[in-house]
Amino acid sequence: LAKTTQPISMDSYEGQEVNITCSHNNIATNDYITWYQQFPSQGPRFIIQGYKTKVTNEVASLFIPADRKSSTLSLPRVSLSDTAVYYCLVVPRYSSASKIIFGSGTRLSIRP
Amino acid sequence: NAGVTQTPKFRILKIGQSMTLQCTQDMNHNYMYWYRQDPGMGLKLIYYSVGAGITDKGEVPNGYNVSRSTTEDFPLRLELAAPSQTSVYFCASSYSKTESNQPQHFGDGTRLSIL
Repeated sequence: LAKTTQPISMDSYEGQEVNITCSHNNIATNDYITWYQQFPSQGPRFIIQGYKTKVTNEVASLFIPADRKSSTLSLPRVSLSDTAVYYCLVVPRYSSASKIIFGSGTRLSIRP
Repeated sequence: NAGVTQTPKFRILKIGQSMTLQCTQDMNHNYMYWYRQDPGMGLKLIYYSVGAGITDKGEVPNGYNVSRSTTEDFPLRLELAAPSQTSVYFCASSYSKTESNQPQHFGDGTRLSIL
């Protein structure tokens, strides 16, 4: 199983770009990097997924270097509503669903 | 679409009681999952199902049972409630026939306290 390591918490201010880095040194060839966002009293919500290089959607960008041993979730121009816990997961494409592991996540706090 | 619906939202049980947490999805997803989340922690997989009639254990299955008689429903059963099962329970689903990396859609959770 590819374990992930990410900061326990981060602080930033409204309007700033926030980058959350995740380390996954033993990622396997068929593994995808997936990020979820969780607000208090809600279930996690899928943000973005990638395999290599860069992926961008309307919410975030995901940067993955060539060796795929780490990845960076980038949130442009954050607002107070981006305060949440962000989970980085390494998810195998073809494997048992029991190998999907949510770690403790990064608690992001956005200040005015 | 309602997505993933969990009932009840809150429940208090006495030690030794039993109950069923209900989960239903209207997205015709094959995969369904049950997680528990303890305060300040990440989610831990209890059980999952890849389709009707097929279930398998996750990381923390002890003390729980599941069944999957239809595509839509995936109830979680606690037979003998223990204080260690006090947690927030999340149900999720994802669309896939063969791939395990499809995004999961989560319900809003059931907050369960065992006293």
